Amino acid sequence: EAGVVQSPRYKIIEKKQPVAFWCNPISGHNTLYWYRQNLGQGPELLIRYENEEAVDDSQLPKDRFSAERLKGVDSTLKIQPAELGDSAVYLCASSFAGGPLYEQFFGPGTRLTVL
Amino acid sequence: AQTVTQSQPEMSVQEAETVTLSCTYDTSESDYYLFWYKQPPSRQMILVIRQEAYKQQNATENRFSVNFQKAAKSFSLKISDSQLGDAAMYFCAYRRRNNDMRFGAGTRLTVKP
Repeated sequence: EAGVVQSPRYKIIEKKQPVAFWCNPISGHNTLYWYRQNLGQGPELLIRYENEEAVDDSQLPKDRFSAERLKGVDSTLKIQPAELGDSAVYLCASSFAGGPLYEQFFGPGTRLTVL
Repeated sequence: AQTVTQSQPEMSVQEAETVTLSCTYDTSESDYYLFWYKQPPSRQMILVIRQEAYKQQNATENRFSVNFQKAAKSFSLKISDSQLGDAAMYFCAYRRRNNDMRFGAGTRLTVKP
C-alpha cells in the first residue's frame, strides 16, 4: 500500500513569493490533515478535511494561507505571499474513519525555506 | 485547551539499555487517545504505540511499552534493548474523539554504540 505522498520535498523561495504544496493521501482515507512543524517543535494542525469539507481551519492564517481538497482526494496548500516566519516543514497526514483509533499516517513533509 | 508537555528536550541511552521518555498532558476529557510517534531525520512520522484512555492495561509493542497513569495525566514511553535505529525525535500526542490531535515539543533520543 502506498503511503501519503507529498511534493515537493524541499522548496526555497524569496519572501513575498507564492508557494504551493501538494498531498496525495492513502487511497480510501477520507480525512486529510495539514500540519506545520517549526524547527524543534511538534506539528501543529493547520486544517483538517473530512472528504471535501474543511471541518477545522481555526489555526489556518487565512490572510495568506489557503487550501483545497477537490473531489475529496488530493489536496493543495498555498501560501501567498510567503513571509520569513513561514519557514517550516509542512506535513500532510490522512486517516480512515473506520480505522483503528483513527490512526493518522504522515507523509515525508515539505521543507519550506523563505529567504 | 489540551496541552502536551515533554519535559526532556534530549535523552541519550547506551545501546541495549533501557530508556524512558516522559510525557504529561492536560485535559478535562475522560475519553481520549494517546500516541507516541517517532520522527527520524527523514522526517516521516511513524506511529510507535497508542493507548486508549478507557483501558487500564498499558499498551506494549515489542520493545516499546507505556506507563499510562490516567489520574496523574502521565504517559511515558519505555524503550527496552535500545537499538541504533531507535535514534530519532519522539513526539507524544493526545487526541480527542473528534480527531483534534495535539503534539508535544518532542524529545531527541540519541543511542550510543
